[in-house]
Amino acid sequence: GAVVSQHPSRVICKSGTSVKIECRSLDFQATTMFWYRQFPKQSLMLMATSNEGSKATYEQGVEKDKFLINHASLTLSTLTVTSAHPEDSSFYICSARDSGGALWTDTQYFGPGTRLTVL
Amino acid sequence: GNSVTQMEGPVTLSEEAFLTINCTYTATGYPSLFWYVQYPGEGLQLLLKATKADDKGSNKGFEATYRKETTSFHLEKGSVQVSDSAVYFCALSGNTGRRALTFGSGTRLQVQP
Repeated sequence: GAVVSQHPSRVICKSGTSVKIECRSLDFQATTMFWYRQFPKQSLMLMATSNEGSKATYEQGVEKDKFLINHASLTLSTLTVTSAHPEDSSFYICSARDSGGALWTDTQYFGPGTRLTVL
Repeated sequence: GNSVTQMEGPVTLSEEAFLTINCTYTATGYPSLFWYVQYPGEGLQLLLKATKADDKGSNKGFEATYRKETTSFHLEKGSVQVSDSAVYFCALSGNTGRRALTFGSGTRLQVQP
């Protein structure tokens, strides 16, 4: 089946630094990728939609200047948490939608997630 | 806007017991409905889906039927195994535009031998 990878799987950083998280679709092309945030024992909250070759679409309440998204190719999207603070500590998950299939078979494939801890 | 409500967990069952996890939704139009599963230490995996009313999604012994009249998509399995222990998420997506997923809060299932 389709595989989505994320790197790194776990990162610890100091407050005020920036962290980049990569999301790759390994065996399919994805014109659209999604970034979610998951708090402990809670559901996934959509942060933004990443579109290849254009600007990301952010959900209400998500700071676009803090969470920079770049979708440079059909297989790679990056999320950069700028000037990270302890409240940004969370589990970040990406998903990619296979754009090669028919619309009615549209399915999102999820990465394994990145655990960010800001000290 | 869209929303998904699913039963609180954890749900603890003995092996071979019958499982039901309730899920109801609020959405405009005709969304697609999904169940995702997250095993310990792993990413979300699509378990099953249904794209229109009265469709039944099924996979690995799990089933869910898209009920438009009750806006529900309850997950069922006739006989659970220890290996089914995981967190289950109900989700929906609209059928136009970005088709981003809206998730329920997740239900943790623990199956004891």
